[in-house]
Amino acid sequence: SQTIHQWPATLVQPVGSPLSLECTVEGTSNPNLYWYRQAAGRGLQLLFYSVGIGQISSEVPQNLSASRPQDRQFILSSKKLLLSDSGFYLCACTGDGTDTQYFGPGTRLTVL
Amino acid sequence: KNQVEQSPQSLIILEGKNCTLQCNYTVSPFSNLRWYKQDTGRGPVSLTIMTFSENTKSNGRYTATLDADTKQSSLHITASQLSDSASYICVVRVIFSGGYNKLIFGAGTRLAVHP
Repeated sequence: SQTIHQWPATLVQPVGSPLSLECTVEGTSNPNLYWYRQAAGRGLQLLFYSVGIGQISSEVPQNLSASRPQDRQFILSSKKLLLSDSGFYLCACTGDGTDTQYFGPGTRLTVL
Repeated sequence: KNQVEQSPQSLIILEGKNCTLQCNYTVSPFSNLRWYKQDTGRGPVSLTIMTFSENTKSNGRYTATLDADTKQSSLHITASQLSDSASYICVVRVIFSGGYNKLIFGAGTRLAVHP
């Protein structure tokens, strides 16, 4: 079964600094990959999804970008963080033949 | 208005007791409905999945029901354990024209099981 790794687990960054969150997947090939943000008391919000290397779809306009340089690697980035970028970021994948989404452990980002 | 609404927002029960969490959705047409369990600071883990034609699905002490006519689902937890303390998230997969589909997440119910 799939295993999803995310790092770092927690991150505190100043406003205006860059961001790079990494997600890697084991146990499957050619997965669909997803980045979500979870705000307190709110449902998960889909930020980006990717169906293949170099293929990125954005769900909402925002200060963030995503890249998929390798089949099982998904990166979330920002050139200049905003206070509103604070949240819990989750990477997910599908690819076991079902539409089940498997989530990584998440990254808690605090922008000060 | 949220397309997937869950109630209650939070719940406290004593260990060994049963509880039922509710999910009402307005989106359609939907492909399937899932319940996820999310431990604090962790990613969600799928508990059950039900398609349009299924009324109930069990996974150990967790039993999910679905009424597609009223667009309601419930998650019943039997003989609760301390490890059941978590957020429970209802997720509906919606199908759009052209085969595009999307997950709509509820905000979750935070369950605390006390000894």
